[in-house]
Amino acid sequence: QVQLVQSGAEVKKPGSSVKVSCKGSGDSVSGYAISWVRQAPGQGLEWMGGIIPTLGSVIYAQKFQGRVTISADESATTAYMELRSLRFDDTAAYYCTRGKAPDAFDIWGQGTMVTVYS
Amino acid sequence: SYVLTQPPSVSVAPGTTAIITCGGNNIGSKSVHWFQQKPGQAPVLVIYYDSARPSGIPARFSGSNSGNTATLTISRVEAGDEADYHCQVWDSSLGVFGGGTKLTVL
Repeated sequence: QVQLVQSGAEVKKPGSSVKVSCKGSGDSVSGYAISWVRQAPGQGLEWMGGIIPTLGSVIYAQKFQGRVTISADESATTAYMELRSLRFDDTAAYYCTRGKAPDAFDIWGQGTMVTVYS
Repeated sequence: SYVLTQPPSVSVAPGTTAIITCGGNNIGSKSVHWFQQKPGQAPVLVIYYDSARPSGIPARFSGSNSGNTATLTISRVEAGDEADYHCQVWDSSLGVFGGGTKLTVL
């Protein structure tokens, strides 16, 4: 059974960047699509974008276009999400999850808390 | 962009039925997925493709989708069902979530 294991919590200053990783354990992520979803404190879930590592195919939500990069390493065992020009309202838990249209997100990482703090 | 609307909160007594709605323009033409999220935890899939249940999800959880409204129904509600519930669809390969509904078990 595949699990998604994410990197640890981050504290960043406004204007900086953060890169969060998501590694498939028990299986690689190569055969699947990985999406990134964030959740600000007390708020709902927000889809940021996704990647199919074996194809290198990436799609982003319009809101994050130009500020986020989703990628995977060459072995397709780990996916990454980099968010640039961080603002206070980027403070959120960031989740990676497996799934692509039209399927459901069936497996989730444990989440990575990113705090933007001056 | 496509918008999904959920009530912010639903409250029910134990043993009764909770109904959580997810509204969207002609949502009946899309496949709806539902997630349960407890405080401090990652979401868990409870219903996929409108009405299918993943392995391990009790049969008390059911879903339907028609017209402009999808519905998650939880029968014989238990204290352990208290959580936030999120609906989700795909719109032109872009993921869309509703705002989430907090289910309170009185």
